[in-house]
Amino acid sequence: ETGVTQSPTHLIKTRGQQVTLRCSSQSGHNTVSWYQQALGQGPQFIFQYYREEENGRGNFPPRFSGLQFPNYSSELNVNALELDDSALYLCASSPGAAGSSYNSPLHFGNGTRLTVT
Amino acid sequence: SQQGEEDPQALSIQEGENATMNCSYKTSINNLQWYRQNSGRGLVHLILIRSNEREKHSGRLRVTLDTSKKSSSLLITASRAADTASYFCATDLLEGNTGFQKLVFGTGTRLLVSP
Repeated sequence: ETGVTQSPTHLIKTRGQQVTLRCSSQSGHNTVSWYQQALGQGPQFIFQYYREEENGRGNFPPRFSGLQFPNYSSELNVNALELDDSALYLCASSPGAAGSSYNSPLHFGNGTRLTVT
Repeated sequence: SQQGEEDPQALSIQEGENATMNCSYKTSINNLQWYRQNSGRGLVHLILIRSNEREKHSGRLRVTLDTSKKSSSLLITASRAADTASYFCATDLLEGNTGFQKLVFGTGTRLLVSP
């Protein structure tokens, strides 16, 4: 059983640029969630994908978008980067069905540390 | 939105001592989960307790849930230096408009266990 892997591990971008972060979910997990974690804070929910469709979103602007692919990989795209976007971005997969109560744990990757200068 | 709040924010103990962390939340839940995060790494699931359960054990971990007080506690017995990490509680929060349930994390407790 492979775990959740994210790439790259670290990334430095300039304000206004665009970035794509990648995640490979655990095999068999149809649901992937993305979280943003600022330094010293808890993870904040960005959105969730189930079977390649976004089915839930947190309080993040439309410049945060995502994709999920049939091979259990997914992407988080952020356009027009701002300084406040600097954070650890975490991907988490689970076998649970979308929109249901979280009766199964999330499996997290080690994240991508994004720095916006 | 922050559904859960952990207390204390930071905790420093000696090896062998017990560590207790508390979590309070605002709305009714289906279940509550505890996660651990080593510095700069991903979160690791520790334990899930359902709303109809009052206590759950896993190794040196003991979790309690009091739905009437909307609170939970995580007890780590006989702490080790390797337990040094941040600990987060997470609850499911129902989005009223869509019926979607998202997992919302608290602010975390930073535990330092000294040898």
